[in-house]
Amino acid sequence: LAKTTQPISMDSYEGQEVNITCSHNNIATNDYITWYQQFPSQGPRFIIQGYKTKVTNEVASLFIPADRKSSTLSLPRVSLSDTAVYYCLVEDGGFKTIFGAGTRLFVKA
Amino acid sequence: DAEITQSPRHKITETGRQVTLACHQTWNHNNMFWYRQDLGHGLRLIHYSYGVQDTNKGEVSDGYSVSRSNTEDLPLTLESAASSQTSVYFCASSESTISSYNEQFFGPGTRLTVL
Repeated sequence: LAKTTQPISMDSYEGQEVNITCSHNNIATNDYITWYQQFPSQGPRFIIQGYKTKVTNEVASLFIPADRKSSTLSLPRVSLSDTAVYYCLVEDGGFKTIFGAGTRLFVKA
Repeated sequence: DAEITQSPRHKITETGRQVTLACHQTWNHNNMFWYRQDLGHGLRLIHYSYGVQDTNKGEVSDGYSVSRSNTEDLPLTLESAASSQTSVYFCASSESTISSYNEQFFGPGTRLTVL
């Protein structure tokens, strides 16, 4: 399973777009890139998943360059309620997941 | 609605005692997982199961065991609780389709304190 590296923490203000980049240099051909969100005292929640190029849903966008060695989670116009820890994962669909320490996003008013 | 539940939500025990944490899901998922979360470490995989009678060790399995006798439940047992096992424990489940990634659904967590 490829390991991931992402910033430990980020600060932002309400209404701004937030981009969190994750590097995964050893990503394999079969690996998917997935992001989870975790609020305090709750379990992680799936946000978005992609394999290549760009994926967008109602919550976020995920940008994956052609070499797939990194990915960027984009949160448009964040609000205070987006304050959470965001985890980037790379896995092969073999069901086992390795979570890193995540990025702690703090949104200020 | 389908859900995944954990019990108890909070537990205080003493060193050396055996403790079992329950996890129950009504998603009918084949895959179930146990993680622990400690400050600064994110989530670490303890054990996982791909189906009934199947169990596998994760990255931090020492001192823990699981058994899978049915689809819905994956209890986690601490054979002899140690203070180092004080943590928040999360159970998760996912489908078992191979063609694409399988989103994991997490329970609310169990906060375990070993004194």
